[in-house]
Amino acid sequence: TQLLEQSPQFLSIQEGENLTVYCNSSSVFSSLQWYRQEPGEGPVLLVTVVTGGEVKKLKRLTFQFGDARKDSSLHITAAQPGDTGLYLCAGSFRSSNTGKLIFGQGTTLQVKP
Amino acid sequence: GAGVSQTPSNKVTEKGKYVELRCDPISGHTALYWYRQSLGQGPEFLIYFQGTGAADDSGLPNDRFFAVRPEGSVSTLKIQRTERGDSAVYLCASGEIGRSPLHFGNGTRLTVT
Repeated sequence: TQLLEQSPQFLSIQEGENLTVYCNSSSVFSSLQWYRQEPGEGPVLLVTVVTGGEVKKLKRLTFQFGDARKDSSLHITAAQPGDTGLYLCAGSFRSSNTGKLIFGQGTTLQVKP
Repeated sequence: GAGVSQTPSNKVTEKGKYVELRCDPISGHTALYWYRQSLGQGPEFLIYFQGTGAADDSGLPNDRFFAVRPEGSVSTLKIQRTERGDSAVYLCASGEIGRSPLHFGNGTRLTVT
């Protein structure tokens, strides 16, 4: 049983399109993080959300934490080929150890020029 | 500045053999984590060190897996009597005490034949 469900698992779109990736759980997290991972490399942190309902923007990326702190979404506007990669959400249960993470299975994004 | 360094980057071993995977964290980072990432999945937590001690080893799958960090810096993940199911990318991450952001290495890809 996957504690954090990501959807979709695979997404192939054209340059310029918008997309949303979802991360859902029945558990409440103290914080949730989004990572991006390139082949042969480790995950790189994009953002951390802590407060229910919180919205954070990183250029064309918008991250939202659900009001109940059980789910999150990542929205990309006008996707570019450089956005291609594996996107991972990861939740932490303990504010005293936010490095111990439960990861979703990831969303592989392919943006075609 | 150097990031988290993991060696070797690739390791192929035969079933039943012993392997050691090394992690050099970012200098000054007291927290060190090991994760395992199977193909098509997100990383799974294995063990967390705070300084020299293993503060949480609840993710180690069985007693064939062991990790040490004798001087509070470099860590070694040791796997005895390897099995084909141990094949995965083993990721190391370091950070401030129990806190994100985590900085991941590029991992060691272990293949057990």
